[in-house]
Amino acid sequence: GIQVEQSPPDLILQEGANSTLRCNFSDSVNNLQWFHQNPWGQLINLFYIPSGTKQNGRLSATTVATERYSLLYISSSQTTDSGVYFCAVPNTGGFKTIFGAGTRLFVKA
Amino acid sequence: GAGVSQSPSNKVTEKGKDVELRCDPISGHTALYWYRQSLGQGLEFLIYFQGNSAPDKSGLPSDRFSAERTGGSVSTLTIQRTQQEDSAVYLCASSLGPSGSNEQFFGPGTRLTVL
Repeated sequence: GIQVEQSPPDLILQEGANSTLRCNFSDSVNNLQWFHQNPWGQLINLFYIPSGTKQNGRLSATTVATERYSLLYISSSQTTDSGVYFCAVPNTGGFKTIFGAGTRLFVKA
Repeated sequence: GAGVSQSPSNKVTEKGKDVELRCDPISGHTALYWYRQSLGQGLEFLIYFQGNSAPDKSGLPSDRFSAERTGGSVSTLTIQRTQQEDSAVYLCASSLGPSGSNEQFFGPGTRLTVL
């Protein structure tokens, strides 16, 4: 099945800094989602982005499907951005969804 | 409803007992997914429903786990003869399904603790 790798695994930022999170996948996909899991465990939808670039406030995402990666950009980070960021893609030839292991972000005040 | 709801939010049970976890998807969403998340880990796919059918049960970890969906809406995940390794957060998600977007929306989860 498809493999999903996220990097970095852990990230510590000073409030106000920018960061880039990466998601690599091993096969073609027709959709990709980015989620933020907050410290209370709720998964929050960030982007549904099979290809191209989208922006939502301080966050933006780019998926280059032909090169099998997606990037999540966080600008002017805030303490409320802390949590775990997951990317998820459909498994090859099935209905299963595969999540990456996540990037754990901590933003210091 | 406005979002995916799950009940109970927390469940503590004794080893060997059966438990039922409930998921109520977003109205109109035909696709429904169950996942499991162990402490500090990523999400593990369990089962996918399209309507009342489950074309992908490949993630169910053993025959103690089963799920059903009735009326194309509410789903129940049942774990029989619970074991301590079943302790985890069980998450449910729904999406519009094949006729629309596959974007998944998650419920708040059920935290299961097996003593």
